Amino acid sequence: DTGVSQDPRHKITKRGQNVTFRCDPISEHNRLYWYRQTLGQGPEFLTYFQNEAQLEKSRLLSDRFSAERPKGSFSTLEIQRTEQGDSAMYLCASSLSMVRGTEAFFGQGTRLTVV
Amino acid sequence: AQTVTQSQPEMSVQEAETVTLSCTYDTSENNYYLFWYKQPPSRQMILVIRQEAYKQQNATENRFSVNFQKAAKSFSLKISDSQLGDTAMYFCAFMKHATGNTPLVFGKGTRLSVIA
Repeated sequence: DTGVSQDPRHKITKRGQNVTFRCDPISEHNRLYWYRQTLGQGPEFLTYFQNEAQLEKSRLLSDRFSAERPKGSFSTLEIQRTEQGDSAMYLCASSLSMVRGTEAFFGQGTRLTVV
Repeated sequence: AQTVTQSQPEMSVQEAETVTLSCTYDTSENNYYLFWYKQPPSRQMILVIRQEAYKQQNATENRFSVNFQKAAKSFSLKISDSQLGDTAMYFCAFMKHATGNTPLVFGKGTRLSVIA
């Protein structure tokens, strides 16, 4: 297992288009997290899953954002009707839920540019 | 809600010298963990060091050590013998432990430059 992978690494889209990002976590990790990172800021939590269950989604930035993890393995984050303010790095991380204080492992992120 | 504050947006240090990055946090939780993550330019974030709040002993990992002051809610990172490869963004992060590990709350980061 080579760690958390995200696809694509870069995405340029026109305002108003829909985009979808994929995250493949470390295979034995049951928790998967999505964060957004804008320039000069720390990552901001968006949503997370335990297996296929979405445990928290109130932090998604608007109803244009949605995420799924249908089989408890990979996850997708979709942004509908993109806006220029959505331009950011979208990070995925995974961890084991019940190993107390264990670290989250991060992917390299998907950089979204909305033009 | 928890907050994490890193008051030093940028720092620089000469190679082989020691540097300390500051972090304070605010929480009413008793059961939590603190982390320092490193994000090199254009590379993924990796864990530097972790501290369990119920442990009084400060964590160390080779050249990296922390000064954890629970009452003051302070968690600083000391890098000894700085190396060029330490150049990166450093993020302080908080995690409470409820029914399993919870999402991290990050500070805004400190950009560290190690100068030859």
